[in-house]
Amino acid sequence: GAGVSQTPSNKVTEKGKYVELRCDPISGHTALYWYRQSLGQGPEFLIYFQGTGAADDSGLPNDRFFAVRPEGSVSTLKIQRTERGDSAVYLCASSLNARGNSPLHFGNGTRLTVT
Amino acid sequence: QQQVKQSPQSLIVQKGGISIINCAYENTAFDYFPWYQQFPGKGPALLIAIRPDVSEKKEGRFTISFNKSAKQFSLHIMDSQPGDSATYFCAASTGGQNFVFGPGTRLSVLP
Repeated sequence: GAGVSQTPSNKVTEKGKYVELRCDPISGHTALYWYRQSLGQGPEFLIYFQGTGAADDSGLPNDRFFAVRPEGSVSTLKIQRTERGDSAVYLCASSLNARGNSPLHFGNGTRLTVT
Repeated sequence: QQQVKQSPQSLIVQKGGISIINCAYENTAFDYFPWYQQFPGKGPALLIAIRPDVSEKKEGRFTISFNKSAKQFSLHIMDSQPGDSATYFCAASTGGQNFVFGPGTRLSVLP
């Protein structure tokens, strides 16, 4: 079946602009996660949803970052007033449920470049 | 306490050799330890995972060894192949929620 889909695959924006990154999880997966991966580093947790609600947003670096999942499926990560330090690959993952025996399935990410 | 340490940072192995990557953690609440494989331009893909009530798990050429008392776990890739060349991440989570990833090991298998 289809995996996790992220759009766009690449996004170049100017410092100070607003961006939205979209994630389509695997159908039927109730848990959805956003991670950020900088070059040469492991994925860094940002936020995860169980259904429509953000169950843990402790990884969001500041209030410029916000994510929604209004219908419990597609999620959008929103970044306001982008900064050059926001440049990274933003990864989305989904799992059947947020339990220990339910692995994460990642998309291929959106590479964000802030100039 | 949430950190997962991983070594080595990079590893070069001859075809047919054994690749060994090690990870260590501090948080004793972690109860699920997956390994992910990532190719350039792709997202991480689950390779194999273990829970702390098991000391070893084997799937094909991939084996996880888990030492609960030392809070360490390792990935062994037997008969390493050039197609195994990728970046490997260990991870840990509590209750399948906030997954914490190691910094990664870049493996190169020479033909």
